[in-house]
Amino acid sequence: DIQMTQSPSSLSASVGDRVTITCQASHDIRKYLHWYQQKPGKAPKLLIYDASNLEAGVPSRFSGSGSGTDFTFTISSLHPEDFATYYCQHYDDLPLTFGGGTKVEIK
Amino acid sequence: QMQLQESGPGLVKPSETLSLTCTVSGGSLSGHHWSWIRQSPEKGLEWIGYIYYGGSTNYNPSLERRVTISVDTSKNHFSLNLSSVTAADTAVYYCARVRPAIFGIVTKWGTLDYWGQGTQVTVSP
Repeated sequence: DIQMTQSPSSLSASVGDRVTITCQASHDIRKYLHWYQQKPGKAPKLLIYDASNLEAGVPSRFSGSGSGTDFTFTISSLHPEDFATYYCQHYDDLPLTFGGGTKVEIK
Repeated sequence: QMQLQESGPGLVKPSETLSLTCTVSGGSLSGHHWSWIRQSPEKGLEWIGYIYYGGSTNYNPSLERRVTISVDTSKNHFSLNLSSVTAADTAVYYCARVRPAIFGIVTKWGTLDYWGQGTQVTVSP
């Protein structure tokens, strides 16, 4: 299985801050990586697909980059509704696997 | 707007079979894979498997011996059976639609674009 390692596991930030999360794959997954947002009691929501493409309806303050084994997810200016947990997920091969998550908390 | 809704028992006894159904509304099962994913504090998000609307399946090797996913297009739903459950199978279970990603002649299935709200399943005597 391809292991996905996210860091940090949690972070504290203020409204307006720039936030960056990284995801490292144990094997080259080219660009086959997605980012999801999950709020408490809710299902994950797809934000970024294929490493850098914004899902329809998702605000442009969210972005992603990277390829191969190293990927980055950025929120350019944190909004109050962005406090949530973020996950990466690869789909280069089966089984699909997810990172351990990054919880973004209010400072 | 497509909606998915999980249903089934919230409590299952050890060694028994966990059975859940995901009913899809606002769209057809045709042309897509349909997936089950679970989430627990211990294991995080774990992909269980998926089924194509035509019936072909792929399962996570870690669960393959115990998992069956089936589809009923006439009822617009798909189902999960997980046998011989233990406390380690306690989790929130989600169903999701799998969107194809087409790269030339290659189609990859791994984009989970519509999710159900999730259902808590607890394994306990």
